Amino acid sequence: DIPLTQSPSSLSASVGDRVTITCRTSQSISNYLNWYQQKPGKVPKLLIYSVSSLQTGVPPRFSGSGSGTDFTLTITSLQPEDFATYYCQQSYSNPLFGQGTRVEIK
Amino acid sequence: QVQLVESGGGLVKPGGSLRLSCAASGFSFSDYYMSWVRQAPGKGLEWVSYISSSGSTIKYADSVKGRFTISRDNAKNSLYLQMNNLRAEDTAVYYCARPQYSSGWTYEYWGQGTLVTVSS
Repeated sequence: DIPLTQSPSSLSASVGDRVTITCRTSQSISNYLNWYQQKPGKVPKLLIYSVSSLQTGVPPRFSGSGSGTDFTLTITSLQPEDFATYYCQQSYSNPLFGQGTRVEIK
Repeated sequence: QVQLVESGGGLVKPGGSLRLSCAASGFSFSDYYMSWVRQAPGKGLEWVSYISSSGSTIKYADSVKGRFTISRDNAKNSLYLQMNNLRAEDTAVYYCARPQYSSGWTYEYWGQGTLVTVSS
């Protein structure tokens, strides 16, 4: 298994802020890295797949980058509907998830 | 449209068993790998198991290996998870998930989940 280390575990931000969440693995997973958003009481939603490809319908303020072992999810201008928990997930081997990052309102 | 509907959750005592089902519709079920993912109350997502389209390839998370069995019936468009020797730490919402493409683990579609509570 290739575990993921996601950071921070939580952050407080204001509407309009730029937010960055990091995900690291202990060995290369090529571009097999996805990001999900989950709002309280809701089902996870695929945001970004293969590091940087935006899922259909996801606003362009979301972006992903990275390669190998270090990956980043960026929200360029945080909107009220973006307050949620975000998970990275590797789809290279057994599909493990990161621990999650809770984005809260400052 | 793709629909995944889980059922079979409930309250069970430690050491007990439960069988979850996931009814799929809106796509060619027999073409897709399928997975179970769970989420304990207030915790993160945990992959549990996956099964290939034909059922020939199966993997489990270490936390459930030897206790859970995944299976599918392509004729019935259904996915199953037999859970035996349940423990308190198995308490979670269990989601059925389908990947973007026929194989792989980029989960584009999720069911609404079924809650399993293991408690005496």
